[in-house]
Amino acid sequence: SQELEQSPQSLIVQEGKNLTINCTSSKTLYGLYWYKQKYGEGLIFLMMLQKGGEEKSHEKITAKLDEKKQQSSLHITASQPSHAGIYLCGADNSGTYKYIFGTGTRLKVLA
Amino acid sequence: NAGVTQTPKFRILKIGQSMTLQCAQDMNHNYMYWYRQDPGMGLKLIYYSVGAGITDKGEVPNGYNVSRSTTEDFPLRLELAAPSQTSVYFCASSYRGGGDSPLHFGNGTRLTVT
Repeated sequence: SQELEQSPQSLIVQEGKNLTINCTSSKTLYGLYWYKQKYGEGLIFLMMLQKGGEEKSHEKITAKLDEKKQQSSLHITASQPSHAGIYLCGADNSGTYKYIFGTGTRLKVLA
Repeated sequence: NAGVTQTPKFRILKIGQSMTLQCAQDMNHNYMYWYRQDPGMGLKLIYYSVGAGITDKGEVPNGYNVSRSTTEDFPLRLELAAPSQTSVYFCASSYRGGGDSPLHFGNGTRLTVT
């Protein structure tokens, strides 16, 4: 079955720094989602990528899906303490309607 | 618009007890999911449903049961609770499946089995 691997597992950055989180799939992605989870809360949808080479941005967060549709990256520009949390990538498992998730990246932003 | 509502928010069970985690959505979504999230880990799919009357197993279904009698509700039943079921449980729903629409999540139920 399909697996999603995220890197790094955790990240501590100084406020104002840029950072990138990666999500790699063992199989072709049918749709790749990025979510953010604040500690102790539910997941909030950030962005959805479907087409190879697609790139989307929202405020200071940009997500890309590579041409082969097996890897995605989430880039945060000029990080702020409000960006802190756990970022998870999710995808439909090989088109089976079973959404799977990566293990998450814990981000801490130091003021 | 409430979205996805989960109850209770917290629960402590003794080993061998049973309980039902409730999940309701008011977005008329056909697809609903139950996940568990262990400390420091990602989400593991327990069960999912593509519509009323249709359910299927996910990655970690053992020890759990579900039913989907209506579009709105998707309860998760724990029979004979075990310490390994200590986790945070999330319910989610989506308009479509197949990688075509995002999941909407509830705020979770934190369950401790002692």
